[in-house]
Amino acid sequence: DAKTTQPNSMESNEEEPVHLPCNHSTISGTDYIHWYRQLPSQGPEYVIHGLTSNVNNRMASLAIAEDRKSSTLILHRATLRDAAVYYCILKGFGNEKLTFGTGTRLTIIP
Amino acid sequence: GAGVSQSPSNKVTEKGKDVELRCDPISGHTALYWYRQSLGQGLEFLIYFQGNSAPDKSGLPSDRFSAERTGGSVSTLTIQRTQQEDSAVYLCASSLAPGANYGYTFGSGTRLTVV
Repeated sequence: DAKTTQPNSMESNEEEPVHLPCNHSTISGTDYIHWYRQLPSQGPEYVIHGLTSNVNNRMASLAIAEDRKSSTLILHRATLRDAAVYYCILKGFGNEKLTFGTGTRLTIIP
Repeated sequence: GAGVSQSPSNKVTEKGKDVELRCDPISGHTALYWYRQSLGQGLEFLIYFQGNSAPDKSGLPSDRFSAERTGGSVSTLTIQRTQQEDSAVYLCASSLAPGANYGYTFGSGTRLTVV
């Protein structure tokens, strides 16, 4: 499976935008980029996913590099509720396992 | 229901006993997944169902673990002769269909403690 690399931790001020990076230099042409987050004592929560084009939903935006070797999850205005571990995961066809790495622990500073 | 429902939310059992964990996926979701998360660890894939069949059960850690799904809906994960290392949060997820272009919805999990 293609691997992803994320910073272990990041901090951001409340009400500021947050840019969470992910490197995936060995991504294959059919791999989708998925983002999940896990709040303390909860199951993971789907955030967003994309293939090539940038994606927006009510939670976040996903910016995908033109060569697809990296992507950035953008939270437009962080709130305290956004403090969580964020996982960047590649999902390819024929592979139903989501492989969760260690993710990025995001701390929001009031 | 609106989300993935798991029961019980907490289970304490004695070593050597059998336990059953239940997952109710989102109605209409054909794909169902079981994961577990040990304290302070990442998520570990256990098994995947498409309908009632399990094309991938490669993550089941031993033959004490089994799972079934009936009616393309509810799934039960059974752990026989529980051991202390089985203590973890067991998470169920469902997806509209298998494939890379669908996201998963996770339940809140069952916290299993083996004493």
